[in-house]
Amino acid sequence: DGGITQSPKYLFRKEGQNVTLSCEQNLNHDAMYWYRQDPGQGLRLIYYSQIVNDFQKGDIAEGYSVSREKKESFPLTVTSAQKNPTAFYLCASAAGGSYNEQFFGPGTRLTVL
Amino acid sequence: KNEVEQSPQNLTAQEGEFITINCSYSVGISALHWLQQHPGGGIVSLFMLSSGKKKHGRLIATINIQEKHSSLHITASHPRDSAVYICAVRFFTGGFKTIFGAGTRLFVKA
Repeated sequence: DGGITQSPKYLFRKEGQNVTLSCEQNLNHDAMYWYRQDPGQGLRLIYYSQIVNDFQKGDIAEGYSVSREKKESFPLTVTSAQKNPTAFYLCASAAGGSYNEQFFGPGTRLTVL
Repeated sequence: KNEVEQSPQNLTAQEGEFITINCSYSVGISALHWLQQHPGGGIVSLFMLSSGKKKHGRLIATINIQEKHSSLHITASHPRDSAVYICAVRFFTGGFKTIFGAGTRLFVKA
């Protein structure tokens, strides 16, 4: 079955630690995205990648880093520089082109203790 | 300021009722996306439209480009429709950008 997987579903981290969230897709999509969701707010874009080995900052990239070494994978690292990392993180992918519907993964809920 | 406003924020309905969720936006768009987020957090795409109307089962989405407004209707609502419904608009500003509304939380009582 084609789709997007994220792991883990729940993640706990101590302050000062970096943590990496996994996102994998087998839809053969060129574009991948990371969003952050906070209560009462719309999804906000952290980083996106339109092609392998290239990625761009979104609206709230500070304190985060990504890599795109393979088409299928777009891991997100939440660094200790992120001041308020507790949130729900969603990964999405889309086929190329301007009219591209995004498909979302199940999300990872990160809690900083 | 580019914004997407959804109303209502919260909605409680009785099973069988006709439901309308509204989305207004402030810029010219290339497409509008309606999404459904279940309590577990996963998001499912419902519709993507740039004009007119689309229908899938009990769900209907309409968009009025001139008024910058879209509505999502649910006919004969059911408790399994309980979810957060999110409107997202895609627009061009030197490159394509998507802005998401805060969502409408729907609870359908049996």
